[in-house]
Amino acid sequence: EAQVTQNPRYLITVTGKKLTVTCSQNMNHEYMSWYRQDPGLGLRQIYYSMNVEVTDKGDVPEGYKVSRKEKRNFPLILESPSPNQTSLYFCASSLGLRADTQYFGPGTRLTVL
Amino acid sequence: GENVEQHPSTLSVQEGDSAVIKCTYSDSASNYFPWYKQELGKRPQLIIDIRSNVGEKKDQRIAVTLNKTAKHFSLHITETQPEDSAVYFCAASFKGGGADGLTFGKGTHLIIQP
Repeated sequence: EAQVTQNPRYLITVTGKKLTVTCSQNMNHEYMSWYRQDPGLGLRQIYYSMNVEVTDKGDVPEGYKVSRKEKRNFPLILESPSPNQTSLYFCASSLGLRADTQYFGPGTRLTVL
Repeated sequence: GENVEQHPSTLSVQEGDSAVIKCTYSDSASNYFPWYKQELGKRPQLIIDIRSNVGEKKDQRIAVTLNKTAKHFSLHITETQPEDSAVYFCAASFKGGGADGLTFGKGTHLIIQP
């Protein structure tokens, strides 16, 4: 089944404790992206990647890191999480290099205390 | 960067009536405009999109119109049904280093009244 998966789905952590949210797609998509969703603010793009080892900043990249060492995986790294990073995070992928139909993962609910 | 404004934030319509959601964007270089629907507790899903070389696109009860001169685009849903109740997001592309990014509007909560 073609899909985008994320892990964990729910995470509660404390300020400053490094964490990684994994994202994987099995559709051989070139483009992968991370978004955060906050009430009243909609979806905001954090980082995106057009290919292995190629990443670009989205609208809200501060406090986040990403890597794209393999085509199928695109982890989101929070080196020193803070409470303002409490949010719902979505990973997405699409086939082409242009912004195209994006397939979203199920979301990760992160709470930073 | 790109800035996308979406209105209204909440829209309540009677079942069977039409609903219109409007978005404006700032970057004249944007060339891709998708609309996503998000049901409660679910992930966003693409419902329709339009590229800058066309002015209108339809898919059954859903249509999108684009006015590049005015930099605005709209989602039209006709004969609304209870299952249309959801949050709808518009988005516009922007040019990154190699591929396009997407800037989303803040969303419209569409409520279909029985």
